[in-house]
Amino acid sequence: ILNVEQSPQSLHVQEGDSTNFTCSFPSSNFYALHWYRWETAKSPEALFVMTLNGDEKKKGRISATLNTKEGYSYLYIKGSQPEDSATYLCASPRNTGNQFYFGTGTSLTVIP
Amino acid sequence: EPEVTQTPSHQVTQMGQEVILRCVPISNHLYFYWYRQILGQKVEFLVSFYNNEISEKSEIFDDQFSVERPDGSNFTLKIRSTKLEDSAMYFCASSEQTRTFTDTQYFGPGTRLTVL
Repeated sequence: ILNVEQSPQSLHVQEGDSTNFTCSFPSSNFYALHWYRWETAKSPEALFVMTLNGDEKKKGRISATLNTKEGYSYLYIKGSQPEDSATYLCASPRNTGNQFYFGTGTSLTVIP
Repeated sequence: EPEVTQTPSHQVTQMGQEVILRCVPISNHLYFYWYRQILGQKVEFLVSFYNNEISEKSEIFDDQFSVERPDGSNFTLKIRSTKLEDSAMYFCASSEQTRTFTDTQYFGPGTRLTVL
């Protein structure tokens, strides 16, 4: 079992604020980290796949960084909007490849 | 844009009954998965399926569970005799490639199973 953790569990921010949250994972035998955005009653939406130490990926106002040596990834949202309200999940596969191990998720609420 | 679909969105059943959860993966994808999330807990892997057989399964996926691809489009999860602790959101997912760590798994919206 791979222990993937996320913090904080939930977050409330005002519209326009920038925010970030963390996914931590064991640094040994790291292969990849996947970020998903999950709105209630919808399918989790793939945001990023990260593999290399120091990787930084960006999609609009959302970006993510990866530190495989210390075992964490940050997700940043710049200028949060109400439509960013969702649960953000990170997941990591291990040597078998198929099985994703998920964190508990960070529930973000952006207050207009 | 192609998407994974799941039916029903909510299933209520009595303990001991059999349920079948249905999924239509993205059409050109080769790998199919079932995950579940018990309320308040992490999303957990159940099983992966490739080339008409189980590729990998977790400890959760015991003899009460089975998966099938009955035709070219559907992928089903059967729970033979449901228990109260099977109540969860069940997610189907599919991926295009063959066993690489960077392959995105595309998820359906889930089926909420409630066992009474």
